[in-house]
Amino acid sequence: AQTVTQSQPEMSVQEAETVTLSCTYDTSESNYYLFWYKQPPSRQMILVIRQEAYKQQNATENRFSVNFQKAAKSFSLKISDSQLGDTAMYFCAFMNRDDKIIFGKGTRLHILP
Amino acid sequence: DARVTQTPRHKVTEMGQEVTMRCQPILGHNTVFWYRQTMMQGLELLAYFRNRAPLDDSGMPKDRFSAEMPDATLATLKIQPSEPRDSAVYFCASDRRAGYNEQFFGPGTRLTVL
Repeated sequence: AQTVTQSQPEMSVQEAETVTLSCTYDTSESNYYLFWYKQPPSRQMILVIRQEAYKQQNATENRFSVNFQKAAKSFSLKISDSQLGDTAMYFCAFMNRDDKIIFGKGTRLHILP
Repeated sequence: DARVTQTPRHKVTEMGQEVTMRCQPILGHNTVFWYRQTMMQGLELLAYFRNRAPLDDSGMPKDRFSAEMPDATLATLKIQPSEPRDSAVYFCASDRRAGYNEQFFGPGTRLTVL
């Protein structure tokens, strides 16, 4: 069975600091997609960043970047220069070849002023 | 600005009542997903459709839940009869299956069953 594990239920960091959210997954597939979604208090699910497993280069989107370690099945999210608006629940997600997404339990991130 | 829309946004009902949630996927998207989010279980996939045909509904309690796509612009999730344990936020998402795999989520329907 495919699983996604986020080991940090909650984190707090000061504004402008860098924070890394951890995620590990388990699958026997060789090609797949990985995502980080953000869910602010509004409840809207927002895609932050995506990584295709066959690409070795780590994805980046402005202040957001990932550290994708395929052999270790690890997919962490780094947020640089954190802002108050980054306060949200962050979900790591794995998509298999059938487009099914399995979500982790989430990490609640608080950015402190 | 193309978006997935869901109605209603909030629903409070009494145990035993029928509940219908609706979703309008983004025009041109051919795959529609239904998810349920609870504090205990997190985000769970209930069912999904491609080109209006159900592909997988293994995450859905069959005895009370049903999902359909009457046409390409409407997906429905029905619970009959509803129970307090069905209280959750139900999300619809859609994507355009063609090597483009981002799922776009609707705003969700918060269901409370008393």
